[in-house]
Amino acid sequence: DVKVTQSSRYLVKRTGEKVFLECVQDMDHENMFWYRQDPGLGLRLIYFSYDVKMKEKGDIPEGYSVSREKKERFSLILESASTNQTSMYLCASISDRVSGYTFGSGTRLTVV
Amino acid sequence: AQSVTQPDIHITVSEGASLELRCNYSYGATPYLFWYVQSPGQGLQLLLKYFSGDTLVQGIKGFEAEFKRSQSSFNLRKPSVHWSDAAEYFCAVGARPAAGNKLTFGGGTRVLVKP
Repeated sequence: DVKVTQSSRYLVKRTGEKVFLECVQDMDHENMFWYRQDPGLGLRLIYFSYDVKMKEKGDIPEGYSVSREKKERFSLILESASTNQTSMYLCASISDRVSGYTFGSGTRLTVV
Repeated sequence: AQSVTQPDIHITVSEGASLELRCNYSYGATPYLFWYVQSPGQGLQLLLKYFSGDTLVQGIKGFEAEFKRSQSSFNLRKPSVHWSDAAEYFCAVGARPAAGNKLTFGGGTRVLVKP
């Protein structure tokens, strides 16, 4: 089975800190995604990447950036964390649209 | 741009009763459609998907969904609910073709199961 691993389950950071959320997949998938999940809003796409060093903005990219230096790793960066970025962050990867996404377990980030 | 609406935020159902979760999508052509389930503290797991062909799709855990083009719906059903089905369920739509295979998710429906 494909595995998508998010390095932290829970994080607490201070306002203004630079935050890195890491995601690694082990099946050579080309497409990787970062979503945030908030109650009542479902999942909203922040950024995605369809190849190494390639990235595209999703629906809510403001306040975030991403890095994909290696195929298996896709990092989400909060340049200066703010309290409104407190959320559950989910990483996913996919080989093709027929297969559907494989999700990581999520990182619950609290910004205080 | 595509969108997904899940009209029910919460549903409470008795164990052994049937369950139906509603999903309506907006998209100009035939979309790819998915249902995912998220158990507490977990990531999302794929329940089933529709791309083409038979409009009644069978999935894991005894779930099925029916694609109705005329109603722009893809409702999820289970004939007899088990306590372990308590979770949050997300409907998602993907465009054809979709750059990067992006999915758009609905707001989710949380299912509570009474003993």
